[in-house]
Amino acid sequence: DVKVTQSSRYLVKRTGEKVFLECVQDMDHENMFWYRQDPGLGLRLIYFSYDVKMKEKGDIPEGYSVSREKKERFSLILESASTNQTSMYLCASSSLAGAGETQYFGPGTRLLVL
Amino acid sequence: EDQVTQSPEALRLQEGESSSLNCSYTVSGLRGLFWYRQDPGKGPEFLFTLYSAGEEKEKERLKATLTKKESFLHITAPKPEDSATYLCAVEVIGTASKLTFGTGTRLQVTL
Repeated sequence: DVKVTQSSRYLVKRTGEKVFLECVQDMDHENMFWYRQDPGLGLRLIYFSYDVKMKEKGDIPEGYSVSREKKERFSLILESASTNQTSMYLCASSSLAGAGETQYFGPGTRLLVL
Repeated sequence: EDQVTQSPEALRLQEGESSSLNCSYTVSGLRGLFWYRQDPGKGPEFLFTLYSAGEEKEKERLKATLTKKESFLHITAPKPEDSATYLCAVEVIGTASKLTFGTGTRLQVTL
């Protein structure tokens, strides 16, 4: 069974704080993704990574950065949290084995920025 | 621009009342279409992948079908435990494993 875990289920931070969200997968997947999910907007891709130390911008990268130092771990960083970054954050991973590989999701982190 | 539209936004069914959810897509080239189930406060759970028009997949009370413009998720004799949000996503050729999601259909099944 694929398992994707996220470091926190709920987080409350203050405006201007630096925030780290961590994601770990145990299936030796090459691809890892960070999304945010907001009511009425669906899931939107923030950043993704094909390999260690590689990263690509998604559709909404502004205000975020990422780090992938090990294959199993992908971190999302909010350098200076703002209230409009209050959201549900979802991490996913998939294999690079072929086309149309399934993305498996973690349980999500609900972030509230005050 | 690649687009995925799901309808209806919300659907309320009585237990045993079969229905279908729709996912229509406009993409330059489809590599795969994915269906996920999401329970409140949790991450999406994978259900099906469809790759080509005419393909069908089944799991318990769920059956997914695919045409060149849309996919349907048919729910036969639903039970209250089928209540969830159902998400559709597409992977487009040339976008390197990225998924474009619809906004989901929120399904409620009552006794």
